[in-house]
Amino acid sequence: GAVVSQHPSWVICKSGTSVKIECRSLDFQATTMFWYRQFPKQSLMLMATSNEGSKATYEQGVEKDKFLINHASLTLSTLTVTSAHPEDSSFYICSARDGAGGPMFFGPGTRLTVL
Amino acid sequence: GENVEQHPSTLSVQEGDSAVIKCTYSDSASNYFPWYKQELGKRPQLIIDIRSNVGEKKDQRIAVTLNKTAKHFSLHITETQPEDSAVYFCAASGGANNLFFGTGTRLTVIP
Repeated sequence: GAVVSQHPSWVICKSGTSVKIECRSLDFQATTMFWYRQFPKQSLMLMATSNEGSKATYEQGVEKDKFLINHASLTLSTLTVTSAHPEDSSFYICSARDGAGGPMFFGPGTRLTVL
Repeated sequence: GENVEQHPSTLSVQEGDSAVIKCTYSDSASNYFPWYKQELGKRPQLIIDIRSNVGEKKDQRIAVTLNKTAKHFSLHITETQPEDSAVYFCAASGGANNLFFGTGTRLTVIP
């Protein structure tokens, strides 16, 4: 299947700093990418839909000023967690669909730990 | 929006037995139903999917059935093996591009 990469795989940062996570579709173009957050032993919670060349669409309850999303090209979306706090510690996963209505493929995830 | 419910939340089976996980969805416009397997600390992996124009699909030991009228779909794993142990998520998708996920089922296959 299609490949989605994500970087970094894990990051530890101090409270108050910002962290950028990159999501790339390696062998297909994705006009839309998705960012999820997953807490231990829970399901994937959709945070936002990243749209190439336009603003991201955020789910209810997700602060757009805290979780900045940029989708500058057809193969790259970035999520920046600004002024991170310990409660932002989580597993963040991006995904993209290979074609309209096609299968969804996930990145390997980024484990963020905020001290 | 779409609401996907998944049962059971945990499932333990003896190696070699079958495992069945069931999901229901609310939006009759949903037409794509994938199943993902997620091992601890790893990404969800697509294991099988089905579209609304098909009632059943099989891939070796894994099968998925879909009942559009009742709005439910199920994952069937036969001859389970210890490496099948993982969390399984169902999902549904309709006109929107994103997937709506169930809450997950933790499957444990006991050797």
